[in-house]
Amino acid sequence: SAVISQKPSRDICQRGTSLTIQCQVDSQVTMMFWYRQQPGQSLTLIATANQGSEATYESGFVIDKFPISRPNLTFSTLTVSNMSPEDSSIYLCSVEDATRGDLGAGEQYFGPGTRLTVT
Amino acid sequence: DAKTTQPNSMESNEEEPVHLPCNHSTISGTDYIHWYRQLPSQGPEYVIHGLTSNVNNRMASLAIAEDRKSSTLILHRATLRDAAVYYCILRDWTGANNLFFGTGTRLTVIP
Repeated sequence: SAVISQKPSRDICQRGTSLTIQCQVDSQVTMMFWYRQQPGQSLTLIATANQGSEATYESGFVIDKFPISRPNLTFSTLTVSNMSPEDSSIYLCSVEDATRGDLGAGEQYFGPGTRLTVT
Repeated sequence: DAKTTQPNSMESNEEEPVHLPCNHSTISGTDYIHWYRQLPSQGPEYVIHGLTSNVNNRMASLAIAEDRKSSTLILHRATLRDAAVYYCILRDWTGANNLFFGTGTRLTVIP
């Protein structure tokens, strides 16, 4: 298993500003993911962040709005840029060790989330 | 990714078994069946996964139908700490990296 921490745990931001969320893992992992969970909704994947390559974004999410860094195997950041009230959500990072051959059987471990409120 | 269908909510009495159903009629031969749960104010946590055979671990059991078009997560003895949203997710063995979360089943445990 992996232990994941996120900073900040919550924040209240003004529209038009940006917030960078940090995700730290206690072990080296190949794959990291960023999800969004809007109030009362399920999780939606924003992007996959693998070390040494550009992040891969899901449909509806773009790099200009959600730039991601993955400088090493234990850390990643997600920035929510030019925020609007619609960006108010919980943002979660997760990790998976992709060293096993059968990736479909892998387990993902999630951080506690960052609760963002945009006013 | 193939779609899963779960009831929106279920209730169980404390210390009784709970059977959480999931239908996945369009499952392919390379899809694993995963279950995650999300406790209030926490990130999701892995529960169990299987491919064809039934699986047991310390948290739960997974019963998979012979045709694999449905599965059931079994909590043998529900506790108040099991109150959560339970997600049934199909994941292709080729490593679709991401997990597609549906709406899940909200389990309420009654003391």
